[in-house]
Amino acid sequence: DAGITQSPRHKVTETGTPVTLRCHQTENHRYMYWYRQDPGHGLRLIHYSYGVKDTDKGEVSDGYSVSRSKTEDFLLTLESATSSQTSVYFCAISEVAASTDTQYFGPGTRLTVL
Amino acid sequence: DQQVKQNSPSLSVQEGRISILNCDYTNSMFDYFLWYKKYPAEGPTFLISISSIKDKNEDGRFTVFLNKSAKHLSLHIVPSQPGDSAVYFCAASLTSYDKVIFGPGTSLSVIP
Repeated sequence: DAGITQSPRHKVTETGTPVTLRCHQTENHRYMYWYRQDPGHGLRLIHYSYGVKDTDKGEVSDGYSVSRSKTEDFLLTLESATSSQTSVYFCAISEVAASTDTQYFGPGTRLTVL
Repeated sequence: DQQVKQNSPSLSVQEGRISILNCDYTNSMFDYFLWYKKYPAEGPTFLISISSIKDKNEDGRFTVFLNKSAKHLSLHIVPSQPGDSAVYFCAASLTSYDKVIFGPGTSLSVIP
């Protein structure tokens, strides 16, 4: 199994509070991704990183920011959580771009915004 | 508007029979396609992929077929086993970009 951990695994928070999810990898892969999974939508890309301090937006980036100060860590921040951000969040890594390579996914974080 | 569609949210198949999962896409520029499998409470795992220069790729019990003219691909599982019960995501990409687009998934149940 690829060495990917996500923390926390479960979180319940209130509307308007900031939330940070962490993804940590031990594979030294260049690319890291944050997805959310919702019924009827599958996996939608929020943000991704193609190197330290190099990030770009995905298809559902509004309300989210990311940071990558080290190869192994990719943080996803909800500046002010809303109920629409209740979802399961997955981090993924790949050695080269996901468009041509296998992505390895973490176990997920279930976030509930009340 | 979804660029990758999986129009069957669920599918039930008897153990030992063939499972066929379908996927349609709208962007004719997609040139690489992947299938991921997901069990409950786990992250997705890569299953099989196919490049647009091929029309078939096989890996053990899993075969993916690509029909570019119809913008359609399918995943065949033969024979189906109860352990294949999972959600299957179809994904597509442009190799010149860094990311893939996932479909909404099909939940497969293989009945013993």
